[in-house]
Amino acid sequence: TQLLEQSPQFLSIQEGENLTVYCNSSSVFSSLQWYRQEPGEGPVLLVTVVTGGEVKKLKRLTFQFGDARKDSSLHITAAQPGDTGLYLCANRRGSARQLTFGSGTQLTVLP
Amino acid sequence: EPEVTQTPSHQVTQMGQEVILRCVPISNHLYFYWYRQILGQKVEFLVSFYNNEISEKSEIFDDQFSVERPDGSNFTLKIRSTKLEDSAMYFCASSQGQLVSEAFFGQGTRLTVV
Repeated sequence: TQLLEQSPQFLSIQEGENLTVYCNSSSVFSSLQWYRQEPGEGPVLLVTVVTGGEVKKLKRLTFQFGDARKDSSLHITAAQPGDTGLYLCANRRGSARQLTFGSGTQLTVLP
Repeated sequence: EPEVTQTPSHQVTQMGQEVILRCVPISNHLYFYWYRQILGQKVEFLVSFYNNEISEKSEIFDDQFSVERPDGSNFTLKIRSTKLEDSAMYFCASSQGQLVSEAFFGQGTRLTVV
């Protein structure tokens, strides 16, 4: 089983600050996905990274896939209260490409 | 925008009772999944379904669980004899294909076993 470790587990910051959260594994990924989950909702896909060293931007969110494809980071610039949520990384594997999730980083952005 | 819908949003049941959780996946999707999330824990894979049969299942998905696609639109998860530890959010998801296509999740059913 390919374990995904996310850090930090909890992060509370003030509006306008920058932050980075991490997803690591001892194994190489063919691809990695980042999801955001709000309370009482299902995970919503933010991005998929495939190529080692790849950087993808989604407005104020920047996703990076490590060169060795064993780690990924999510950087948020000028965080807003609407960014509050559980950020999950996940790897698709298996014949049906089911997802294995990390335990997530719970982000709280205070106004 | 197409979405995965799940019913009910919340189900309370007595231990030992059977429950059926219902999902309507996105209409042109071919792969269907059930995941669960115990409060404060990871989202865990239960089972995947393709071409009217289970393609993979986790160790959580034991004989007490079953899935069915009875009418070509609904996708159901049945738990035959619920246990207290089955209390969790259950998420249905679907995806169009096998490769890197996005998996869309429903809003979940909160199952509480008392």
